[in-house]
Amino acid sequence: QKEVEQDPGPLSVPEGAIVSLNCTYSNSAFQYFMWYRQYSRKGPELLMYTYSSGNKEDGRFTAQVDKSSKYISLFIRDSQPSDSATYLCAMSGLVNTDKLIFGTGTRLQVFP
Amino acid sequence: GAVVSQHPSWVICKSGTSVKIECRSLDFQATTMFWYRQFPKQSLMLMATSNEGSKATYEQGVEKDKFLINHASLTLSTLTVTSAHPEDSSFYICSARTGPEQYFGPGTRLTVT
Repeated sequence: QKEVEQDPGPLSVPEGAIVSLNCTYSNSAFQYFMWYRQYSRKGPELLMYTYSSGNKEDGRFTAQVDKSSKYISLFIRDSQPSDSATYLCAMSGLVNTDKLIFGTGTRLQVFP
Repeated sequence: GAVVSQHPSWVICKSGTSVKIECRSLDFQATTMFWYRQFPKQSLMLMATSNEGSKATYEQGVEKDKFLINHASLTLSTLTVTSAHPEDSSFYICSARTGPEQYFGPGTRLTVT
């Protein structure tokens, strides 16, 4: 079993839809949870990070962490074609040198 | 957010030559930098963790004599691919950590002919 599981998709939605992206994990030592967006042939861009459980909102994006279920989510409201990309969840422990453990990424396609 | 740059953005080299890729954190100091490799339609594969002033820690299966990493300052890390071969052709991405947040560079596409 992988430490982090993420549905690779692809996920295809119409413009304006609410998108839900999810990851599950097995390592209870993870404390920081991040979502990255990666366009083709580009480096990942940090969208949001959350410490421990709870919700965090930034514009059209909401990140949720449920440590009891070892489940994290990213919601995108009013999705736009420009949101079409691969979304990677990532998580790490508390130590500064801790590696980020990535999910495989979910490809999202938002069509007009 | 913080900015990480990479240079060059793409490079073509001949088999047997060496290539150096630079990674810089432009507006913050990074005690830890990471180097990744990514194949098409696959997730990031961590190659090594680099701490300023000390030797890099390589992941299992990564040849440290082939992929030389130097972290000379809090804002600069370099990856040198020595004696490159066509199978080293890939997308190389660095990242720099500040606190819990890790920021990635734009990547370097290496093609070995």
